[in-house]
Amino acid sequence: AQSVTQPDIHITVSEGASLELRCNYSYGATPYLFWYVQSPGQGLQLLLKYFSGDTLVQGIKGFEAEFKRSQSSFNLRKPSVHWSDAAEYFCAVGTYNAGNNRKLIWGLGTSLAVNP
Amino acid sequence: ETGVTQSPTHLIKTRGQQVTLRCSSQSGHNTVSWYQQALGQGPQFIFQYYREEENGRGNFPPRFSGLQFPNYSSELNVNALELDDSALYLCASSFGLVTQYFGPGTRLTVL
Repeated sequence: AQSVTQPDIHITVSEGASLELRCNYSYGATPYLFWYVQSPGQGLQLLLKYFSGDTLVQGIKGFEAEFKRSQSSFNLRKPSVHWSDAAEYFCAVGTYNAGNNRKLIWGLGTSLAVNP
Repeated sequence: ETGVTQSPTHLIKTRGQQVTLRCSSQSGHNTVSWYQQALGQGPQFIFQYYREEENGRGNFPPRFSGLQFPNYSSELNVNALELDDSALYLCASSFGLVTQYFGPGTRLTVL
């Protein structure tokens, strides 16, 4: 079955520290992978995506993610966290289904808190 | 700015009522997907519209229905509201079936 696991429900880091948010997926084919960020009560903003090619992808706000096929992982990283990065982070896998539609399968999210 | 807009921002209804949520897709996009996000959960796929036709549906009952218009805007209709329908409803638009861009959501409360 297709699924996305974000093992860390909640993470707290100090401002200026590095960050890594984990994401593991289960999908039978080559995945399309996404990271989105959601501020409280807001919609989801696309941080970055991986479709093919270079396994290290750069996104907005200084984020990057690395696709590791052997580990079925797509971890999100940032070298130095800012207080404004405090939010909910979601990893998603884009899947094709019968009828050629694509939907996103979501992890449960990781809540990031940033200490000053 | 993603360019996807949703209305209304907030909505309060009572059980058994019907509700219509609206979404304007980003310019140039022809696909709209709807998601339900309960508090503390990730989004759950409701259905997708591609070129005005339903193009996939998640595990939601038929009282959840939708529509896409020629300008690619979309509506989500929910009949016979239940308490568990209280959630943030997210609309996402895309060109074709690839990267989805989300609107700010409609917060629905069912009393």
